[in-house]
Amino acid sequence: EAGVAQSPRYKIIEKRQSVAFWCNPISGHATLYWYQQILGQGPKLLIQFQNNGVVDDSQLPKDRFSAERLKGVDSTLKIQPAKLEDSAVYLCASSGSLAGIVDEQYFGPGTRLTVT
Amino acid sequence: GEDVEQSLFLSVREGDSSVINCTYTDSSSTYLYWYKQEPGAGLQLLTYIFSNMDMKQDQRLTVLLNKKDKHLSLRIADTQTGDSAIYFCAEGLYGNNRLAFGKGNQVVVIP
Repeated sequence: EAGVAQSPRYKIIEKRQSVAFWCNPISGHATLYWYQQILGQGPKLLIQFQNNGVVDDSQLPKDRFSAERLKGVDSTLKIQPAKLEDSAVYLCASSGSLAGIVDEQYFGPGTRLTVT
Repeated sequence: GEDVEQSLFLSVREGDSSVINCTYTDSSSTYLYWYKQEPGAGLQLLTYIFSNMDMKQDQRLTVLLNKKDKHLSLRIADTQTGDSAIYFCAEGLYGNNRLAFGKGNQVVVIP
């Protein structure tokens, strides 16, 4: 089974520019997550989708970050405009079932963003 | 709220056992997880333990949970060079797949 795909793998932009990340979850997985992992820290959930609906976006900085999953499959995460503190690895994960049971999240390799 | 604490670095010789510790604060957490992250890769679920258990063994991995002290540990027996990675503990709530991760422990296995 193919894993979670993310692109690009690396991105360098200047502050105040815009950037978008793409994620293709494992086929059939209804739940998709975007995490931000700052160097030296654990991942922090930004947004969780169930199919094409948002389940949790309480930690998403909505003034500059947006995400969508229009057809309930692929997802994009956008930052506009970027700040220096947005430098991090952005991880996408997917899982196959609804919340309430132990459900393994499968992670993609991440996109490493550097904002200069 | 959720707050997961981990120590930062562990060096261990190949063949020895390694123990990684984690403390958490949310007593309502239902599941506690250990994830492994190798360089340049995403996280991989290693094992998990339900909060009403004290111990779980899975091949070379042993998870111990002390609910009173909110302390979780992962023991890796016969540590191999392929075990070199960063290990994250995470806590989750029943009915919500949201996970709160610790900062991670870097384990370096010396041949």
